[in-house]
Amino acid sequence: KQEVTQIPAALSVPEGENLVLNCSFTDSAIYNLQWFRQDPGKGLTSLLLIQSSQREQTSGRLNASLDKSSGRSTLYIAASQPGDSATYLCAVRGAGSYQLTFGKGTKLSVIP
Amino acid sequence: GAGVSQSPSNKVTEKGKDVELRCDPISGHTALYWYRQSLGQGLEFLIYFQGNSAPDKSGLPSDRFSAERTGGSVSTLTIQRTQQEDSAVYLCASSLTTSNPSPLHFGNGTRLTVT
Repeated sequence: KQEVTQIPAALSVPEGENLVLNCSFTDSAIYNLQWFRQDPGKGLTSLLLIQSSQREQTSGRLNASLDKSSGRSTLYIAASQPGDSATYLCAVRGAGSYQLTFGKGTKLSVIP
Repeated sequence: GAGVSQSPSNKVTEKGKDVELRCDPISGHTALYWYRQSLGQGLEFLIYFQGNSAPDKSGLPSDRFSAERTGGSVSTLTIQRTQQEDSAVYLCASSLTTSNPSPLHFGNGTRLTVT
């Protein structure tokens, strides 16, 4: 059974810092990996999707990497802003499956 | 354009009552998913629809839970004889296809409280 772990559970940084969020998963037979953000009381917003054959994806100040063999993904946020404050969730879709298995998230606070 | 719409946004019900939760996916999205988010539990998969059929309903926690999708569009999640442990946020998501790359688009959820 796939398990997804996100460390740290919470992170507080001053505005302008670059930061890295970590995600690890136990089964490397994946179809894709997705990063989402969730604002309080809201649903999830898709940030980046990395296909199993890809190593990284970039969107603006966000860069996500995937190392399937070691079961790891990182989300790099450059020049953090207070508007980046949210909970970031990593989710893995297994090969041959349509389900996403989610980590419990990293709650990010960017202090002005 | 319009995103995934869920109604109601909040629902308070008494233990033992039945509830229906509605999801309107993004127009043209063939895949639809229901997830549940509980405090301390994270998000858990409930059911997946492709068109009107549900190839994977393995996440439904008991036979009190059922879901249907009609016209390849709107979906309803029904919980019968609600229990306090059913209290959670129920999230619906849709995607254009199930092939890469087709990210999931989530609604804002229905917060269900069973008293």
